[in-house]
Parts: sequence; C-alpha cells; structure tokens
Amino acid sequence: GAGVSQSPRYKVAKRGQDVALRCDPISGHVSLFWYQQALGQGPEFLTYFQNEAQLDKSGLPSDRFFAERPEGSVSTLKIQRTQQEDSAVYLCASSLIGLAGGSSYNEQFFGPGTRLTVL
Amino acid sequence: SQKIEQNSEALNIQEGKTATLTCNYTNYSPAYLQWYRQDPGRGPVFLLLIRENEKEKRKERLKVTFDTTLKQSLFHITASQPADSATYLCALGPASGGSYIPTFGRGTSLIVHP
Repeated sequence: GAGVSQSPRYKVAKRGQDVALRCDPISGHVSLFWYQQALGQGPEFLTYFQNEAQLDKSGLPSDRFFAERPEGSVSTLKIQRTQQEDSAVYLCASSLIGLAGGSSYNEQFFGPGTRLTVL
Repeated sequence: SQKIEQNSEALNIQEGKTATLTCNYTNYSPAYLQWYRQDPGRGPVFLLLIRENEKEKRKERLKVTFDTTLKQSLFHITASQPADSATYLCALGPASGGSYIPTFGRGTSLIVHP
C-alpha cells in the first residue's frame, strides 16, 4: 500500500495485560514517530526513530512503554501491564528524511491509528 | 510552560461561507506552524505549513496567516462545503535550535451545514 498502516485497528485489553501495536511506515521513509491521542485532544509525542535508532523517547509516559524498530522499517509499540489511563488512540507517522534538528521540516504521513481500550 | 490554544467549541457554519479557525500560543517561538485535518477514525493529514518569516500562505480554498507578534495563526476555508467538516489541528514546529518534534493543539471541530 502507499500509505502508513497500523494494526490492529482496535484492541481491547484487560488491565494488567501486555499489548503490542504495529506500524508499517511508507517504504523508504527514514523517520518514524509514535503519538498518543486521548479523546478530544491533539496527538502527544511519544518517541522518534531515525532508521533503527531510537533518537528520542522523551514522550514515553512510563517504563511500561517500549518501542522498537529493529530493521529500520516496521515498528512495534509495546505497553506492559496496561492501565485504564493508557486507553487512547496510538498514531504512527513516517517521513522521508531524517530530522536534523533546529528548524528543519519534512512532512509527516500518519497512519489510521490503533484505538486501545483498557477495561 | 508552552501552550497551544484552539477553540474547543465546534464551529458551525453554512455552506458557501468562509470558516475561520484560530490557533494561539504562549511561551513559544516556533520556526513554523502547520495545519492538519483529521477525520473521525483517521490520522491527521497535512494541509499547509507557514514559516515564521511568512505572513500568509494560500492553497486552493485554504489560507493561513501567521502573526508572530500576536502569537496567533488564522486558518481560513473559503466557499466552505459539507465535505470540509472535520477537526482541524494546528501544530507548532520547533523553536529555532530546539527539539524537532512538533507540538499539536487539541483541534477545533468544523461543521459545515448544507
């Protein structure tokens, strides 16, 4: 496909369960971002990868959240021992080039998100 | 702390009118500002970017202004259509020399009535 895909689209977990959310970025895109979007809010940054390197994980809310992108393409966001406050839509975005910092910009392409509900 | 404000109340307008959405920010000096559209159940879609040294940007029926003195951006959709109904998010680019991660506002819902 031409766009960013995410799976599953919906996930219901019981409190305390572990979940894994997958992101397939656009082929050849260097940068990959994960965001968390609560109902009625904008996306909040979680973590950023440039190829396989996780360059920024400052937005991860706790050590229960872990992300990886081992081969520089597909990425997985794992949440251990889920809590009700983890309920949100998790968005993945990719962009063509790596971020050099400062005022550099390149467009992010978002996937449809995974809606996680923790009971 | 840095703050981005978008009107949390939905904007209801009649088809054919111009919709104007506002994005205000404080304690921030962004190098650029972006506007995204988000439909229910979908991820945001990039619409326009305007840089700190630009006053206005246009794309088809869309127009964005950026006033760094007022710390405000206005997003206009002219000749609005029901298909324009969606949530519109503004996102501030990094402050010059700062983190490269954009910060999103909560979005404003636009409803265009036929």
